[in-house]
Amino acid sequence: GAGVSQSPRYKVAKRGQDVALRCDPISGHVSLFWYQQALGQGPEFLTYFQNEAQLDKSGLPSDRFFAERPEGSVSTLKIQRTQQEDSAVYLCASSPQGILMGKETQYFGPGTRLLVL
Amino acid sequence: GENVEQHPSTLSVQEGDSAVIKCTYSDSASNYFPWYKQELGKGPQLIIDIRSNVGEKKDQRIAVTLNKTAKHFSLHITETQPEDSAVYFCAAPRVVSTSGTYKYIFGTGTRLKVLA
Repeated sequence: GAGVSQSPRYKVAKRGQDVALRCDPISGHVSLFWYQQALGQGPEFLTYFQNEAQLDKSGLPSDRFFAERPEGSVSTLKIQRTQQEDSAVYLCASSPQGILMGKETQYFGPGTRLLVL
Repeated sequence: GENVEQHPSTLSVQEGDSAVIKCTYSDSASNYFPWYKQELGKGPQLIIDIRSNVGEKKDQRIAVTLNKTAKHFSLHITETQPEDSAVYFCAAPRVVSTSGTYKYIFGTGTRLKVLA
């Protein structure tokens, strides 16, 4: 079956430009996570959705970052007025279960590599 | 703090040898520990996980051990093959609210190179 897909796979933006990154989770998955992965580092949590509800956005680095999942399936991560420090791989993951710790298997997408010039 | 420490950062082994990667965590409430393999240009893929009610889990050439008292867990790969070459990440959950929402804290990764 289809896994998690993300688009675009690569994005080059000029500093100050707005970007939108899309995540298509596995169909029927309740939980959706966004992560930021800097070069040579592990993924860092950005935000979490359970269905359409954004339950945790504590990892978003600034108010320039905004995420939504209006119908509980596809999610979009938007970055306004991009800065060079936003350059990273943005990973999306989904999970069939809800928030119960200890019962999670997260399935990651291939990521979107964002380069801000 | 909420760090998950992972060692070593790089590891080179001869094909057929074993590889061991270790992680320590700080949140005593953590009870689920996944390991991910990330190949170049791809997202992390779950390879094995362990829950806190067991001390060891095996899946063919891969095993994970957990010591809850010491708060560390390890990935063991036996009979390594060139296709095992990748970056490996451990992770541990950290509860962030009284309602039980949590986030995963990832280690900084181990770049494993299996030499043919």
